[in-house]
Amino acid sequence: EVQLVESGGGLAQAGGSLRLSCAASGFTFSSYSMNWVRQAPGKGLEWVSYISSSSSTIYYADSVKGRFTISRDNAKNLLYLQVSSLRADDTAVYYCAREPRLGLFDCWGQGTLVTVSS
Amino acid sequence: QSALTQPASVSGSPGQSITISCTGTSSDVGSYSLVSWYQQHPGKAPKVMIYEGSKRPSGVSDRFSGSKSGNTASLTISGLQAEDEADYYCCSYAGTSTNWLFGGGTKLTVL
Repeated sequence: EVQLVESGGGLAQAGGSLRLSCAASGFTFSSYSMNWVRQAPGKGLEWVSYISSSSSTIYYADSVKGRFTISRDNAKNLLYLQVSSLRADDTAVYYCAREPRLGLFDCWGQGTLVTVSS
Repeated sequence: QSALTQPASVSGSPGQSITISCTGTSSDVGSYSLVSWYQQHPGKAPKVMIYEGSKRPSGVSDRFSGSKSGNTASLTISGLQAEDEADYYCCSYAGTSTNWLFGGGTKLTVL
């Protein structure tokens, strides 16, 4: 069964940092591009970051550029998102999503909640 | 870039058809055949219903269909069922600098 499980969320102070993880199982993780998408409480979805299968290509939304860092460890089937210089508007559920082809986010994790207190 | 524009809510009775619009610009929806639609039930992760504008992943009911005209994409759900009640989000590619834009979401109520 294809599965993505996020972890690492929690309560952080404004200006603080967290490292989010996404554990993949049930498929060949190293063959897939991956994304992080977030959803503020009661709000819509917002794309955050993309990483290609080999980590050769990385993109960020303008709202997180310079503060968040995406990475992956294909040997461990893990995707990461280092979130730093946190602001109140970074409070959200963070989902990892698999992208088997451009524009198709076909598998999502259950999400991990990041709460930033000011 | 701003989020794509969707109606905040739509409703329909069981058996009816509804259409949710998703309006972007010539820089996103109008330029690429890369619009996808996601269904999200409360407290759950999103689920892809349509990708590349009109393609359905395996396992998705053929009651769901997608189309595009100019800068506006649409999701049509026919034969509404109670389990279709959810939030729906469109998503479009917007080029390498912006990448992916989501709509604000539409709450579908099955009366």
